Amino acid sequence: GENVEQHPSTLSVQEGDSAVIKCTYSDSASNYFPWYKQELGKGPQLIIDIRSNVGEKKDQRIAVTLNKTAKHFSLHITETQPEDSAVYFCAAPNNAGNMLTFGGGTRLMVKP
Amino acid sequence: DGGITQSPKYLFRKEGQNVTLSCEQNLNHDAMYWYRQDPGQGLRLIYYSQIVNDFQKGDIAEGYSVSREKKESFPLTVTSAQKNPTAFYLCASSTGSTWDTQYFGPGTRLTVL
Repeated sequence: GENVEQHPSTLSVQEGDSAVIKCTYSDSASNYFPWYKQELGKGPQLIIDIRSNVGEKKDQRIAVTLNKTAKHFSLHITETQPEDSAVYFCAAPNNAGNMLTFGGGTRLMVKP
Repeated sequence: DGGITQSPKYLFRKEGQNVTLSCEQNLNHDAMYWYRQDPGQGLRLIYYSQIVNDFQKGDIAEGYSVSREKKESFPLTVTSAQKNPTAFYLCASSTGSTWDTQYFGPGTRLTVL
């Protein structure tokens, strides 16, 4: 089955700096990679996703890049704000595309 | 509003008791999922259902049971056989199509006293 590893597990940045979270996956057939943001005590919310027909996708301050050859994808947050503080999860599907395997999560702390 | 609801938000159970967590969606999604989240950790799949009256075990199904009698509902029962049930439980749904996004509910925090 799919194996997803996420790094780092915690990340502390100063407000206004950029944050980068990286995930690697094992199943080369995977072609859909979502990122979720989870605030304390709440369910994860999808913030951006990418499909393998593109190498990068942006949505305002958030971007995701995908390197299918190396089997890794990354979340980039620019101009970080305190409200970006949360736990972020990456995920990748199994080869049937009907289940997601999640990374272990990254706790992002943005210091004012 | 369309979405996924879970109830209750907090649940307390005595050891040896079964307890059922509710999950309802009005997104007309075919597929529904249950995950368990322990403190500081990722999400682990308990059960999933791709269609009414059908469901499959995930990675950690032991001590749990589910039913899918209606498209919009996917209740999870935590049985007394689950040795360490204290956790945050998350329900999700999707259209079930390949490579489709999963949408999560707000979660239920279960504590065994």
